[in-house]
Amino acid sequence: AQSVTQLDSQVPVFEEAPVELRCNYSSSVSVYLFWYVQYPNQGLQLLLKYLSGSTLVKGINGFEAEFNKSQTSFHLRKPSVHISDTAEYLCAVSRGAAGNKLTFGGGTRVLVKP
Amino acid sequence: GAGVSQSPRYKVAKRGQDVALRCDPISGHVSLFWYQQALGQGPEFLTYFQNEAQLDKSGLPSDRFFAERPEGSVSTLKIQRTQQEDSAVYLCASSRDTLWPQHFGDGTRLSIL
Repeated sequence: AQSVTQLDSQVPVFEEAPVELRCNYSSSVSVYLFWYVQYPNQGLQLLLKYLSGSTLVKGINGFEAEFNKSQTSFHLRKPSVHISDTAEYLCAVSRGAAGNKLTFGGGTRVLVKP
Repeated sequence: GAGVSQSPRYKVAKRGQDVALRCDPISGHVSLFWYQQALGQGPEFLTYFQNEAQLDKSGLPSDRFFAERPEGSVSTLKIQRTQQEDSAVYLCASSRDTLWPQHFGDGTRLSIL
């Protein structure tokens, strides 16, 4: 069975500072990797995805992530955060095909302070 | 509509009651998923449909949970004899097929008193 670990449950960060959210996964077969953002009382919005090709993936709202197969990681970064980036961030993997069922990490709550 | 629509947005029920949660996927989307998100946790897979066929129900926590998608579009998740541990946000997602990422609805927040 695959699992997804988000090491930080909460990350406080000052506005305009950089942020990195860590995600590690375990799987013995090819995986597809995703980061979703969840604002309060809303569903999940896809930030970015890694399906194949370049290991550096750029997403919406200035976020990017790097797939590292040897370290089984898919960390999310943003060089300068805004107050509006305050939200829950969820890392997820699917196995075998991009649209198969997702296994999520526990989430990281980002709190951007002025 | 353009996105996945779920109703109701909020549902309060007494322990022991039956509830039904509805999901309208994006038009034409073949795949439909249900997830359960407990407070402070990531979503967990419940069940998956390809058109009207329920191909995977390995995540349903008990036989009190039942899902259907009779015409391959709208889906209903039913929970019988609700328990307090059923309190969670229930998320529905759809995709064109298994090659495409999922689009999520806003969820139904279920509270069992």
